[in-house]
Amino acid sequence: DADVTQTPRNRITKTGKRIMLECSQTKGHDRMYWYRQDPGLGLQLIYYSFDVKDINKGEISDGYSVSRQAQAKFSLSLESAIPNQTALYFCATSDSGLATGELFFGEGSRLTVL
Amino acid sequence: GQNIDQPTEMTATEGAIVQINCTYQTSGFNGLFWYQQHAGEAPTFLSYNVLDGLEEKGRFSSFLSRSKGYSYLLLKELQMKDSASYLCAVLDSNYQLIWGAGTKLIIKP
Repeated sequence: DADVTQTPRNRITKTGKRIMLECSQTKGHDRMYWYRQDPGLGLQLIYYSFDVKDINKGEISDGYSVSRQAQAKFSLSLESAIPNQTALYFCATSDSGLATGELFFGEGSRLTVL
Repeated sequence: GQNIDQPTEMTATEGAIVQINCTYQTSGFNGLFWYQQHAGEAPTFLSYNVLDGLEEKGRFSSFLSRSKGYSYLLLKELQMKDSASYLCAVLDSNYQLIWGAGTKLIIKP
């Protein structure tokens, strides 16, 4: 089983619908991240959390919200999906600081908003 | 603004050597990462450089020059399975990762 699991892996929805992407990890890491990947662009950070009580906005947080339900779970919500939120979404974890650590990514959730 | 530049696509031959360059302009520097991403899959960590010089890890090596804002990833003895995108990312002064758009490497027999 994957250390970082994302559900759903694929989702097609309509404009205006609420969508939740879930992420769970068995690595025991405190830090969790949500990224978005679009063709031709680098990964863009949406939100990140350094522990259960710590939530921080990333560079493109507008239109998104998150919830850190437990150390192992970090979910991303789109309250009212719009077509330009069509993208590949990745959850990632890291141990303590990134300065010496690495990110461990989930397998991705491909979201299509019609 | 912060910027990471890397070629969009490169082609190389199986068994050969390829060098993928990355130049960066960021607010501060706390390290540079290379990740490999096969099509439709998650990125996976390849290397981390924080000091100038070459870090070798098997067939892959990564070089950093902080004064030039430059790094490269060197892949030797190319195999078909090396066909993937290679992502360069810099940790800035706020310890935020700034990502390049990635270089798609195509390996031909």
